[in-house]
Amino acid sequence: NAGVMQNPRHLVRRRGQEARLRCSPMKGHSHVYWYRQLPEEGLKFMVYLQKENIIDESGMPKERFSAEFPKEGPSILRIQQVVRGDSAAYFCASSPLAGDDGQPQHFGDGTRLSIL
Amino acid sequence: DQQVKQNSPSLSVQEGRISILNCDYTNSMFDYFLWYKKYPAEGPTFLISISSIKDKNEDGRFTVFLNKSAKHLSLHIVPSQPGDSAVYFCAASGGSQGNLIFGKGTKLSVKP
Repeated sequence: NAGVMQNPRHLVRRRGQEARLRCSPMKGHSHVYWYRQLPEEGLKFMVYLQKENIIDESGMPKERFSAEFPKEGPSILRIQQVVRGDSAAYFCASSPLAGDDGQPQHFGDGTRLSIL
Repeated sequence: DQQVKQNSPSLSVQEGRISILNCDYTNSMFDYFLWYKKYPAEGPTFLISISSIKDKNEDGRFTVFLNKSAKHLSLHIVPSQPGDSAVYFCAASGGSQGNLIFGKGTKLSVKP
């Protein structure tokens, strides 16, 4: 029973390039969350998606960042024109129901993004 | 403005003794609290949760206590084992969309 799968595990980009991070939720989970963790910090919520819908993007920067969760395929977090400050670990989580029902979110192992 | 605070960055405990990790929060609208454990280069792993209508939840060696009046919760691990050495994150939810708000974590070291 596969858990949340994220790829790539490590991604190196030069300033100005685009970064694409992928997340496949656990089987049977239709709710996907993206979080970002800076060094020595906790995880910060970015965006919450269900299939084909963005439910809450209040934690996502307004520019250069976008997310999608298509009907088929993984959820994608896309960062355009990356800058050094985008270097972080990006975690995806999934749950079978909305989190406010108390269902725990299950996390992938993250993508470590490094910007040169 | 940190809504969930873990004021101890690190904690060292002897194997077999009790580990107590603490967490404070400011938003009285939170209705679920969760503890996650994280090893380096891995994602957080869910440990235990508690609803705001309860004051205690127990699962094996792990017990979470909630004091709503003090806006404080704690995770007790007893007996502590070397494999418990990890960073522990406290998280809260209560918004309509269920996103989690995390503390900065406490690094627990359990010494043999």
